[in-house]
Amino acid sequence: AQTVTQSQPEMSVQEAETVTLSCTYDTSESNYYLFWYKQPPSRQMILVIRQEAYKQQNATENRFSVNFQKAAKSFSLKISDSQLGDTAMYFCAFMGGGTYKYIFGTGTRLKVLA
Amino acid sequence: KAGVTQTPRYLIKTRGQQVTLSCSPISGHRSVSWYQQTPGQGLQFLFEYFSETQRNKGNFPGRFSGRQFSNSRSEMNVSTLELGDSALYLCASSLGQNYNSPLHFGNGTRLTVT
Repeated sequence: AQTVTQSQPEMSVQEAETVTLSCTYDTSESNYYLFWYKQPPSRQMILVIRQEAYKQQNATENRFSVNFQKAAKSFSLKISDSQLGDTAMYFCAFMGGGTYKYIFGTGTRLKVLA
Repeated sequence: KAGVTQTPRYLIKTRGQQVTLSCSPISGHRSVSWYQQTPGQGLQFLFEYFSETQRNKGNFPGRFSGRQFSNSRSEMNVSTLELGDSALYLCASSLGQNYNSPLHFGNGTRLTVT
């Protein structure tokens, strides 16, 4: 069975600084996707970034990038130039293994400080 | 294009009652999945429907059930409510045809059981 672990329940960062959120996962599958979702205080969850396991190149979306280490089963999210609007819960998620069942981590609450 | 709509936004029920939550997906999305979100537990997968068929199921008791209609709208039912069922219930829709399909979430239904 697949598992996703986020070991940082809470983090804070100063505005304009860079922060990295950690995520590790466990799977024996070779075909899968990894995602980071963001849930702002208003509650609606939105997709931040996704990574296909077969792609060696790390995904990037503007200020958001990932460090995907397949052998180590690590998938961290880096937020550059942090903004107040980045304050949210961040969830790491796994999809694959022959099912369309998302496995989510327990989340990291990020607070960006002015 | 309208987003995912969940109704109602808030519900207060007493132990032993039953409740039905509704979710209207984004037009064209055939997959609807449900999650229970509680502090510290993250998002727990309940079930996923694709074209009116339950394709995946999480590890919840049989009191939790769902269905999907021909227009892709979905309902989730919880019978014999317990205090521990108090949570935010999130619905998400996607195209559901490959692992790359991101989830689009609704605002959730906050259920309080007293």
